[in-house]
Amino acid sequence: QKEVEQNSGPLSVPEGAIASLNCTYSDRVSQSFFWYRQYSGKSPELIMSIYSNGDKEDGRFTAQLNKASQYVSLLIRDSQPSDSATYLCAAPPSGGYQKVTFGTGTKLQVIP
Amino acid sequence: SAVISQKPSRDICQRGTSLTIQCQVDSQVTMMFWYRQQPGQSLTLIATANQGSEATYESGFVIDKFPISRPNLTFSTLTVSNMSPEDSSIYLCSVRDRVADGYTFGSGTRLTVV
Repeated sequence: QKEVEQNSGPLSVPEGAIASLNCTYSDRVSQSFFWYRQYSGKSPELIMSIYSNGDKEDGRFTAQLNKASQYVSLLIRDSQPSDSATYLCAAPPSGGYQKVTFGTGTKLQVIP
Repeated sequence: SAVISQKPSRDICQRGTSLTIQCQVDSQVTMMFWYRQQPGQSLTLIATANQGSEATYESGFVIDKFPISRPNLTFSTLTVSNMSPEDSSIYLCSVRDRVADGYTFGSGTRLTVV
């Protein structure tokens, strides 16, 4: 089982809708999770991190973490065509080491 | 947040040659991470570079193929040695960025081996 799993998509949503991106992880000890956005030909850029169960909001983005279900998601409200990108979920493996493992990414297409 | 300058941004190299990629960070960091991203794929960690000690390589990556230097807390290089077309990828360096509360990446090096 991969450490971090995502549906590769593409996920297509109309402009103005809510985009929901999901990620599951296998390591129950993982304590921190990160969402990245990567435009084609560019390096990943951090959207937000989440450490505690529940929701964390930042502008149009909301990260949700459920450690019991080993599930983390990212909601994008009022999706814009500029949100079209690949979204990567990342988590550090257990053991306190600082490296992170990335999921395969979900490609989001926002249709005008 | 941390700013990483990565060079070169792209290169086209002949098979059998080597390319050295540099990353310079604007602050001191304990660990620097080197990733490879093959076309259409996600990021795969190659190794973790610590200052003053040998790099720690992930399964499937060896020092002879990807030697790493870490002479100080702001700089690291990754060399891709004896290149083949299969090494054509984007190579990225990354650091743990406590200000940004995540990991920050360099702009990447797009390598094409012909």
